[in-house]
Amino acid sequence: GQQVMQIPQYQHVQEGEDFTTYCNSSTTLSNIQWYKQRPGGHPVFLIQLVKSGEVKKQKRLTFQFGEAKKNSSLHITATQTTDVGTYFCAGNYGGSQGNLIFGKGTKLSVKP
Amino acid sequence: DGGITQSPKYLFRKEGQNVTLSCEQNLNHDAMYWYRQDPGQGLRLIYYSQIVNDFQKGDIAEGYSVSREKKESFPLTVTSAQKNPTAFYLCASTPGAAPAYEQYFGPGTRLTVT
Repeated sequence: GQQVMQIPQYQHVQEGEDFTTYCNSSTTLSNIQWYKQRPGGHPVFLIQLVKSGEVKKQKRLTFQFGEAKKNSSLHITATQTTDVGTYFCAGNYGGSQGNLIFGKGTKLSVKP
Repeated sequence: DGGITQSPKYLFRKEGQNVTLSCEQNLNHDAMYWYRQDPGQGLRLIYYSQIVNDFQKGDIAEGYSVSREKKESFPLTVTSAQKNPTAFYLCASTPGAAPAYEQYFGPGTRLTVT
């Protein structure tokens, strides 16, 4: 079946360092979504990317969608302790009956 | 205050018992979903419903059942046939049926079966 591979599985950074998580699909995606799950919480929608090569920013977060619409990344500049959590990408392969395929997530820990 | 509620937050059951997890939304969303989350794993889709009185199996439907008798409610029953039921269960909804909509998640139910 279709899979969205996400790396790394874990990332430990010092506060102030940058962080990046990557998602890859073997087939073209219709769009991709990103979610954040705080420890003990539930996933919360961050953003959706639709267009080839799209780049969107939310304060210190930068989201990219590859030209071929097969990969995506989330980059956090100058991490803060509030960034702690697990970041998931979720790919949509298209079609009205399709569903999101979630990556396994990248768990970010930030040392103050 | 609009949102999705799941109850209970924690649930403990003995092996061999069926258990029903509640999911209610007051967002007037058409579609609802059930996911299972295991440690270190992503979210895996159990069942989804795009309209009342209709639902489809997801990737891991075996051992689970659902109903969608009302637009706002989508309960999940974990049956005794589910071989490894201990997990964190998340309910979600979307305004429309297409997967291009953002998913709104409930707080989840953590089920432990011993």
